[in-house]
Amino acid sequence: DAGVTQSPTHLIKTRGQQVTLRCSPKSGHDTVSWYQQALGQGPQFIFQYYEEEERQRGNFPDRFSGHQFPNYSSELNVNALLLGDSALYLCASSGTGGLTEAFFGQGTRLTVV
Amino acid sequence: DAKTTQPPSMDCAEGRAANLPCNHSTISGNEYVYWYRQIHSQGPQYIIHGLKNNETNEMASLIITEDRKSSTLILPHATLRDTAVYYCIVRAIQGAQKLVFGQGTRLTINP
Repeated sequence: DAGVTQSPTHLIKTRGQQVTLRCSPKSGHDTVSWYQQALGQGPQFIFQYYEEEERQRGNFPDRFSGHQFPNYSSELNVNALLLGDSALYLCASSGTGGLTEAFFGQGTRLTVV
Repeated sequence: DAKTTQPPSMDCAEGRAANLPCNHSTISGNEYVYWYRQIHSQGPQYIIHGLKNNETNEMASLIITEDRKSSTLILPHATLRDTAVYYCIVRAIQGAQKLVFGQGTRLTINP
C-alpha cells in the first residue's frame, strides 16, 4: 500500500503564476482534503472533496480551487500566486465519506518568489 | 479556531514515558479526541483517537478524563524518533468534519 502520494515534492513559482498540485489517496479511500501549512504553524484546512464535489471549504479565497477525479485522486489549483502562498501543502485522505481517520501525504513545498 | 489547548513544548528523557496533556473544556458529546504528530518536514501522522474510554494501540495510550474536558497522550517508552510536534484535535465523527490544528506541543526526546 503506497499510502497518500503527492506530486511534486518541491516547486518554485513566480508571483502571479498559477500552480497545480496533485494527490493520490490511500487505497480504499474516497475523500480527499487539502491543508496549507505555513512555516512554524499548524496545518490550515483549505477544502475537502467527496464524490467529485467540494463538500467543505475553509477560509481561503477563490484563487484556491480543486478537483476530484472518478478514481478519487485530486488536484489543488492556486491562481495569481502571492508571496504569502509559500507553504507546505498537505493532502489527506480518508475512507467511508471521511468518517475514518485521515492519512496525510508528505506534502508539496511551494515557494513563491 | 482550535478547540484545544496544549503546552508549547516539553522535554522527556529517552526510555521514559512521555505524557502530553491537552485541554478541551468545550468538547461536545459527539466529538472525539484525535492525536496526530508531525516529524520535521513530513506530513502529520495519525496516532490514536477516543471518545470517552481509554484507548491503547501499538503507538500510544490515550487517557480521557471522566468529564472529557482533558486528555493525556502517553508514549510509554520514548525514543529519539518520537521527537515531533504533537497535535491534539477534537473532531465530530458525523459529517466528515475537517481537522482543526492548533499550535501543538513540540516534544523533544533527549538521550
